[in-house]
Amino acid sequence: GDSVTQMEGPVTLSEEAFLTINCTYTATGYPSLFWYVQYPGEGLQLLLKATKADDKGSNKGFEATYRKETTSFHLEKGSVQVSDSAVYFCALSDRSDDKIIFGKGTRLHILP
Amino acid sequence: GAVVSQHPSRVICKSGTSVKIECRSLDFQATTMFWYRQFPKQSLMLMATSNEGSKATYEQGVEKDKFLINHASLTLSTLTVTSAHPEDSSFYICSARGTLEFDEQFFGPGTRLTVL
Repeated sequence: GDSVTQMEGPVTLSEEAFLTINCTYTATGYPSLFWYVQYPGEGLQLLLKATKADDKGSNKGFEATYRKETTSFHLEKGSVQVSDSAVYFCALSDRSDDKIIFGKGTRLHILP
Repeated sequence: GAVVSQHPSRVICKSGTSVKIECRSLDFQATTMFWYRQFPKQSLMLMATSNEGSKATYEQGVEKDKFLINHASLTLSTLTVTSAHPEDSSFYICSARGTLEFDEQFFGPGTRLTVL
């Protein structure tokens, strides 16, 4: 079945550092890909998404590109802030059944 | 943007009692709602999918008689944990999908259930 694998955390960086969180997926069809963020004590929020190959999703300085050839959707940010500390989930949705399949999440700590 | 609320945000109950959690879409009509369970430091696990006016579809391994789901209107779905036990303690999250955006689900803030 479809699945999502993302790098294990926690990831600890200093403020203004470059961030990459790796995510790869397996899917039989052509899924949509997502990054969700969960701030402490809150529910999930959609951070960005891409619906087809080579699409780039971007929001709040974060970017991820849908790479069909490597089945990847890595999350990047050029300069992180303390307020970016959260858990980040990579996810996919197979259009045929509406379900979202999540990775295990990566906890990010940004030190001032 | 679309807003989904959950009530209560936290609940503590005694073992053997039942707990109802509400999920509401505040500014859109949700034809489909999803219920997830999240264990500490784990990902979200889909429990069931509910469509307004029909029976919920449960994922493999989820007891339908224990986790009762009702989607009585286009803005409200409820999850009732019946005869709760300590192992049911978890973070329960709902999401809702409307009719306009095919892919996007909007998530509620979650309900933390603690069973003593």
